[in-house]
Amino acid sequence: AQSVTQLGSHVSVSEGALVLLRCNYSSSVPPYLFWYVQYPNQGLQLLLKYTSAATLVKGINGFEAEFKKSETSFHLTKPSAHMSDAAEYFCAVSAHQAGTALIFGKGTTLSVSS
Amino acid sequence: DAGVTQSPTHLIKTRGQQVTLRCSPKSGHDTVSWYQQALGQGPQFIFQYYEEEERQRGNFPDRFSGHQFPNYSSELNVNALLLGDSALYLCASRTRGETDTQYFGPGTRLTVL
Repeated sequence: AQSVTQLGSHVSVSEGALVLLRCNYSSSVPPYLFWYVQYPNQGLQLLLKYTSAATLVKGINGFEAEFKKSETSFHLTKPSAHMSDAAEYFCAVSAHQAGTALIFGKGTTLSVSS
Repeated sequence: DAGVTQSPTHLIKTRGQQVTLRCSPKSGHDTVSWYQQALGQGPQFIFQYYEEEERQRGNFPDRFSGHQFPNYSSELNVNALLLGDSALYLCASRTRGETDTQYFGPGTRLTVL
């Protein structure tokens, strides 16, 4: 079985500061890992994904995440926050096989102040 | 290239009623999944359809049922609505055989009064 824990339901940063959103996973099989972003009143947009290739994954809008098996973590980072990054971020895991559902964390709300 | 579309955008129902939500997958996709996102929570998997059959199901009661049509579009039906069914219902599509990326629609906001 898979599960995801997102540490911190709310993260606040200043514009230009480092963004760090934490995600730890549990999986009995090799996982696929994802970060999605959700803007108010919208669906989910894929930021990036880990599918057993490179452990450092680069996504859209300057975000990246590093898969660390020893720490069972997949934290999301961005060197310099922009006001437009304010949104809800979800980490998700699925089993490393076809047809399996995504298991989501509870989400982290990112606020960016000027 | 149209992405995943869902209808209606918003819906208000009363307890005990039945509701049908609709989803058209992204062009070229044949697999559709449905998720329920309660306020302040992450999405929870309801079920997945391909080849017009339910292939995987999450921990949801039988009041939740679905259908997939030959053109790969899908419906989610919820019977005997409860207040707790109020949520954003998200549809996601992908191509069977591609094990990773699912593309999400904008969702249908269901309010049960």
